[in-house]
Amino acid sequence: EVQLVESGGELVQPGGSLRLSCAASGFPFSSYWMHWVRQTPGKGLVWVSRIKPDGSSTTYADSVKGRFTISRDNTENTLYLQMNSLRGDDTAVYYCAAGGDSPDHWGQGTLVTVSS
Amino acid sequence: DIQMTQSPSSLSASVGDRVTITCQASRDINTFLNWFQQKPGKAPTLLIYAASKLETGVPSRFRGGGSGTDFTLSINSLQPEDFATYFCQQYDNFPLTFGGGTKVEIK
Repeated sequence: EVQLVESGGELVQPGGSLRLSCAASGFPFSSYWMHWVRQTPGKGLVWVSRIKPDGSSTTYADSVKGRFTISRDNTENTLYLQMNSLRGDDTAVYYCAAGGDSPDHWGQGTLVTVSS
Repeated sequence: DIQMTQSPSSLSASVGDRVTITCQASRDINTFLNWFQQKPGKAPTLLIYAASKLETGVPSRFRGGGSGTDFTLSINSLQPEDFATYFCQQYDNFPLTFGGGTKVEIK
């Protein structure tokens, strides 16, 4: 059974940084594309980023390009999202998800709040 | 970006009813469409992929259809556990985009 557990979400000031982690188990992590998706009551579900199984290719939404970095450690079965220069509109529940071209199986999410 | 427009945004129905949700893409996405179900405080779960293929373990009362720009999700004989919010999502092109959601409530 696919299990994804996010961590690292917390209250952070505007302009600050945060690193989210996603621990994966129950499936061959190193064979799957991995995604980050965020959700807010106002904007709904918004795809953030994805990374190739071997980590050699990444894609980002325009709203986070240059500020967020997705990475993975296939020896530790862990996905990361480094978030810099955080803004109020980055406030959201962040989900990691496993799949191919699309995020098929999701974790329970971690809340990131950007506020002074 | 491809815009995904879902309707209705909410609906009220009774146990045993048949409901249909529609999703329209702003341009042709072939059948690169997923449907997700989300319950309060939980993550979305995949119901339908490739517009009409049922994810393993999903009851057969869920049915997806359509191609190109117009898609539907139907739930036959609504069950108490089906009251939730449903989202469509396209994966024809990046950025991946989601519909605004349809909340199915108990009448």
